[in-house]
Parts: sequence; structure tokens; C-alpha cells
Amino acid sequence: DQQVKQNSPSLSVQEGRISILNCDYTNSMFDYFLWYKKYPAEGPTFLISISSIKDKNEDGRFTVFLNKSAKHLSLHIVPSQPGDSAVYFCAASVGGSQGNLIFGKGTKLSVKP
Amino acid sequence: DSGVTQTPKHLITATGQRVTLRCSPRSGDLSVYWYQQSLDQGLQFLIQYYNGEERAKGNILERFSAQQFPDLHSELNLSSLELGDSALYFCASSVVGRNTEAFFGQGTRLTVV
Repeated sequence: DQQVKQNSPSLSVQEGRISILNCDYTNSMFDYFLWYKKYPAEGPTFLISISSIKDKNEDGRFTVFLNKSAKHLSLHIVPSQPGDSAVYFCAASVGGSQGNLIFGKGTKLSVKP
Repeated sequence: DSGVTQTPKHLITATGQRVTLRCSPRSGDLSVYWYQQSLDQGLQFLIQYYNGEERAKGNILERFSAQQFPDLHSELNLSSLELGDSALYFCASSVVGRNTEAFFGQGTRLTVV
């Protein structure tokens, strides 16, 4: 039973346009959400996070939106750059714990020049 | 470079064997986590140690065990290996505190033949 779901295995976007990656969760106890980016042959790299007390968090080109009633979060990348091409993982935790994360299966983003 | 070091990077072994994966956390991080990423799967949380003591357990098989030593490095022991244990094993570390992100190592790719 997947508690964190990323229903799009892949996404292709043109350079300069917006990339929107989606994530749904089922556990209403989750109170901290993170996005990680992963390049081949590397470990996941932290990108951005959001606490359940917020509905938006912004860091440069990256914005995460949280809709608790829909149990849905999304990552917006604007503008998208070819270097953003990677697998993006959504993760969630209970009690704000910093490492016991439940991950989605990831979405592979391809940004075309 | 996340500051988390994992060795070895690659490991090939036969079914029934036992292997040990090693992780050195970032300087100052007291928490260490182990994750498994199988083919086409998201990262699955295995186990967490905090300052030498087991803090949380996830989907870790009884054939697997871990420990964290006084110098804070950690080892994941996998025994009676099966073909299905072939995966990427990631170690992550974090500081103490609520809502802080975990930093991942580059992973150990284990192939069981």
C-alpha cells in the first residue's frame, strides 16, 4: 500500500517553460514533506521542503504547494533548465522526523533545449 | 558532495553470502538512516540509528541488521543474500532537530548473482 504516490513516471518540458511535478499521499498524519532530486549514479539531493502548517514554500526557481484537504502537493520549477533533468522524488514523514521518510517512486523530468 | 560517504560503491556477491556496507555520516550528524532502492521502486526506509542506538525500524528483513559505532559511522549487514536483495543501498544522515532534511550518500550498488 503506497502512502506516497507519484503517478507520472516521466515528464518532458521545453527549456524555459514551467515544470509541474505532482505527488499524492494517503496518510493524514504526514506533517512534513520534501522533494529530492536524483541524478544517475548519485544519491538523492534535497531540494525543498514544506511543513503542513504552510501551503506554499518558495526557493528561487522552485516552489512547493501543499493542499492538505486534497492530500496533494506539487513542485513547480520556473523556468525549467536542461540541468534540471533528473528523477524527482516526493517524500513525507510523520512528526517532523527528519529521516524516516516515505518516498514516492519518482518522476523522471526531461527538459529539452 | 553531501558529506556522507558510503563504501564500497559497487559489490557483486553470490546468493547465500553475507556482506557489510559502510557509511560515514556528515561531520556532526548524530542520526544515520539506511534506505533500499530496488529496480523501479522508490526508496524504502530500512532503519535509523541515533547516537549509537536504534531509533526506528522500517521494512528491514530479519536477515539484515545494522549498527552505529561510537565514532558514529554505521554498517549495514546483509546475510543469506538472495537475488531479490540486489538493489541500491543508500545511507543518509541528519542533524538533530525537527524538520531538517537528510543528506544522502552516493549509495552502494549490490548485485547478487
